[in-house]
This record gives sequence, C-alpha cells and structure tokens, in this order.
Amino acid sequence: NAGVTQTPKFRVLKTGQSMTLLCAQDMNHEYMYWYRQDPGMGLRLIHYSVGEGTTAKGEVPDGYNVSRLKKQNFLLGLESAAPSQTSVYFCASRDWKDNEQFFGPGTRLTVL
Amino acid sequence: RKEVEQDPGPFNVPEGATVAFNCTYSNSASQSFFWYRQDCRKEPKLLMSVYSSGNEDGRFTAQLNRASQYISLLIRDSKLSDSATYLCVGRGAAGNKLTFGGGTRVLVKP
Repeated sequence: NAGVTQTPKFRVLKTGQSMTLLCAQDMNHEYMYWYRQDPGMGLRLIHYSVGEGTTAKGEVPDGYNVSRLKKQNFLLGLESAAPSQTSVYFCASRDWKDNEQFFGPGTRLTVL
Repeated sequence: RKEVEQDPGPFNVPEGATVAFNCTYSNSASQSFFWYRQDCRKEPKLLMSVYSSGNEDGRFTAQLNRASQYISLLIRDSKLSDSATYLCVGRGAAGNKLTFGGGTRVLVKP
C-alpha cells in the first residue's frame, strides 16, 4: 500500500496563476483533509471531506476550492495564487472509526 | 488566543536525560488528544493518544489534566533519534476535525 500520496512534491507559481494539488489514498478512508503549514503557525485546516461528494470548510478556506469526486482522491485548487499562499500543503486521511490521521509527504508551494 | 498552544522551544536535551513539556487547550469541549511527531521537512505521524488516566508507550508518557486544561509529554532516556517537533493535537466533540498546536521542538545532543 502506498498510503497517502501527493502530487506534485514541489511547485513554483507566479501570482495569479492557478493550479491543482492532488491527494490520493489507497486505504479506503472516508475522511480526507487538506492542511497548510507555515512557520510558527502549526498545521491549519483548509478544507475537509467526510465522504465522496462532500466537502466542508476548515479554518482557512479563503482562496482555495476542493473536490472529492472519488473516495480515494481529494483535490485542492488555487484559482488565482497569491504570495500569501506560499506554504507546505499536507493532505491526510483517516477511517471514520479511528483517531489516527495518515499524512501525505507534503507539497512545497512557492508563489512569486 | 490559539485553541491549542505550545512552547515552541527548542528544548535542548542531553542524550539519556528526561524532558517534559506541556500544551494547553482552550476548548473545554475537546474530547480527545494526541501527540504527533514531525521530523524536519517530513509529514506528521501519530506518536500516541492521550488518556485522562495517563498512558505510557516505552519511554514516552502522556498525561491529560482536564481541570487545568493541559496535556503533557515526557520522554525518558532521550535518544538522538527523538530529535523532532512534537505536535499537540485536540479533537472536538464532533470528531471530524483535529486542531494542531504549533509544535515543540526537541533537540537531543550527545
């Protein structure tokens, strides 16, 4: 099992460009999450999903959109990137009955 | 005020020594707590859950004090490989989301 994978691992964007981050999990988990991690701020929840076809806002959703068309995939979109979105993005998933969240290796995004 | 707060450190610990640190939480409705470990430039991984009665996993002991709203982690006989950032995490009553503290950095030195 690959666990949780993220694509791409690194990306540099110019202000105003758009991109989609892909998260995939092969553990048949219902719940999936997108976080961003910034120095001194810890992990902050952007959006999450409790099942295929459902999404919900987290703590810092502005500037991001998500989709969960398939249970195993959770996409994070930036429609018009801003320098404030420079961060490390982590995806995570968990089974509905368990506590542990499994994280992907992260995507390092720089917006110039 | 952040919902989960931690001393960022770093805690510089001699190899073989014991180190302990706390985190405080503000949401009294939080149901469950956890410690995650994050190595430099890596993803967080669950270290252990925290129970009111206290729990131990090898050299690691976690404790929850609901009256004072803090969680503690103690590491005995520190190893060089224990150097990492330790994230304090709370889960609310709804159970869908976790709230992460900013992390406490621990550096174990020979």
